[in-house]
Amino acid sequence: GAGVSQSPSNKVTEKGKDVELRCDPISGHTALYWYRQSLGQGLEFLIYFQGNSAPDKSGLPSDRFSAERTGGSVSTLTIQRTQQEDSAVYLCASSLAGTGIFTEAFFGQGTRLTVV
Amino acid sequence: KQEVTQIPAALSVPEGENLVLNCSFTDSAIYNLQWFRQDPGKGLTSLLLIQSSQREQTSGRLNASLDKSSGRSTLYIAASQPGDSATYLCAVPDQTGANNLFFGTGTRLTVIP
Repeated sequence: GAGVSQSPSNKVTEKGKDVELRCDPISGHTALYWYRQSLGQGLEFLIYFQGNSAPDKSGLPSDRFSAERTGGSVSTLTIQRTQQEDSAVYLCASSLAGTGIFTEAFFGQGTRLTVV
Repeated sequence: KQEVTQIPAALSVPEGENLVLNCSFTDSAIYNLQWFRQDPGKGLTSLLLIQSSQREQTSGRLNASLDKSSGRSTLYIAASQPGDSATYLCAVPDQTGANNLFFGTGTRLTVIP
């Protein structure tokens, strides 16, 4: 696609429910990143995918968070048993290459998650 | 660990003024530095990417400079317009082997018509 696409743009869920957030990177981009931005805060790194390599999950805040990337393209971030502190904007980014040759990163418009 | 600082946190200018946004980083061994803008409630839009071997990059009314040795980058916006109002973020990649971008906390720019 022309840009990084994220869906849904907004999600309201009840505490304790599971949610799935989707990211469609730019076609041909091998690197994909998930970030979280809480209200008034900076960007918090969550997870990184590069090609077929094992993902870097070092930023995931708890085991309730997981992510997949199928076929080296679309990625899904899953949050289980959501808590109110999970409320944030979840941003996805992709780039042509990854670690060591970090090229320009392009971000999606984000998914605003509200846990009530 | 790399730390990225942006000063000022907020800036308000009248339309038509030229302005400079600042970004400082503690570890000068960077591959590149990227400037983004973020509109309220939106994602990040890439503005400029400067490679470590470059000193300047220009795109329209925007000019970004990079001084690795002093750990600084500036984003110059010429003839500011109300549409330039947004939060501006700079970011550098993690070069410790982790797969991360270190972001500054941003400068919130308001251009007053």
